[in-house]
Amino acid sequence: QKEVEQNSGPLSVPEGAIASLNCTYSDRGSQSFFWYRQYSGKSPELIMFIYSNGDKEDGRFTAQLNKASQYVSLLIRDSQPSDSATYLCAVNIPAGPLVFGKGTRLSVIA
Amino acid sequence: GAVVSQHPSWVICKSGTSVKIECRSLDFQATTMFWYRQFPKQSLMLMATSNEGSKATYEQGVEKDKFLINHASLTLSTLTVTSAHPEDSSFYICSARDPAGGIDEQYFGPGTRLTVT
Repeated sequence: QKEVEQNSGPLSVPEGAIASLNCTYSDRGSQSFFWYRQYSGKSPELIMFIYSNGDKEDGRFTAQLNKASQYVSLLIRDSQPSDSATYLCAVNIPAGPLVFGKGTRLSVIA
Repeated sequence: GAVVSQHPSWVICKSGTSVKIECRSLDFQATTMFWYRQFPKQSLMLMATSNEGSKATYEQGVEKDKFLINHASLTLSTLTVTSAHPEDSSFYICSARDPAGGIDEQYFGPGTRLTVT
């Protein structure tokens, strides 16, 4: 059974701080890893994907992947109130649907 | 990124009627589309995988005769909720995979909010 685990939160961080979101997955065959952001009442929006071990940076976002530990994380630097949302980790194996975690709710306090 | 649209964005219908929701990939051809349902404050739940030209694959517990999926072209998949009841009221979201992307990412439509009265 493919599972993706996330802490449901809420994770509260002050404005300007670094928010760290974590995700673990069970299927060692997983090859691609995604972070989506979902605002309340809206559909998920793709933020980043990563498929190689290490870090991948895009603006204020950094995705980190450790396949040996089956661990994916998302760092948000200089957090803004507009970053307050639910962040969904998703994992894929080829030709299958993405398997989503239940999401972590982030609250950035001004 | 690729663009996926849904229509309608919201719909109110009476109990016992059927509702059709359309999902379109606007700038790419999607051989595979996915339908999700999300209840308030809950996580996404995959309902079915829709493959162009073949029958949809439904997740366990999803009634295929109630949620009819048709993927007649590479840019359009439809979900019909038949004989809708108030418990079917939910946020229905489709997503599509861009095969040219190479990484299997899924792009989501904006969702359809269904209210059954």
